[in-house]
Amino acid sequence: QKEVEQNSGPLSVPEGAIASLNCTYSDRGSQSFFWYRQYSGKSPELIMSIYSNGDKEDGRFTAQLNKASQYVSLLIRDSQPSDSATYLCAVTGGANSKLTFGKGITLSVRP
Amino acid sequence: KAGVTQTPRYLIKTRGQQVTLSCSPISGHRSVSWYQQTPGQGLQFLFEYFSETQRNKGNFPGRFSGRQFSNSRSEMNVSTLELGDSALYLCASSEQHTGELFFGEGSRLTVL
Repeated sequence: QKEVEQNSGPLSVPEGAIASLNCTYSDRGSQSFFWYRQYSGKSPELIMSIYSNGDKEDGRFTAQLNKASQYVSLLIRDSQPSDSATYLCAVTGGANSKLTFGKGITLSVRP
Repeated sequence: KAGVTQTPRYLIKTRGQQVTLSCSPISGHRSVSWYQQTPGQGLQFLFEYFSETQRNKGNFPGRFSGRQFSNSRSEMNVSTLELGDSALYLCASSEQHTGELFFGEGSRLTVL
């Protein structure tokens, strides 16, 4: 069973802090990694994708991938109350394989 | 471009009934995936269709089925509904088979 595990959470950080969200996966053949954000009562939306080891930055968001450790993380700098949501890690093994989601971690940013 | 459209948005059924949910993907997207979301299990993969062919299937019983039409629109069907089928059913589309999915707002099914 290919699994994607996320910290149980919830995570609470003060406004302006760095939020660090972590995810591990069991399938060493995994090739593509994604972070989705889901606001309460809404559907998930893609915020970051990463395909190779290292860091990928997009505005206040940085995704980090370490395939050797089977670990992917999302850093949110200068956290804002509007970042309060559930963050879902998702992993796929490549062409024709399904996208598997973790159960998500709920982030709360305190004003 | 219009987003992914799912109908109906809400529905209530009783045990033993069946239900059909519909999904219209973003124009030009040929891949459609279905997920079940519950508070306890999170997002669980049901199946993926690409060009009318089922490309992947999750670990759900045979009561759950789906299909895709030539215009990429997709339907999923659940027969002999059980209480545990109460969930949010999400459809997502993508241009090709990638993990970059665009989700619809979902169909919330309640089974009484």
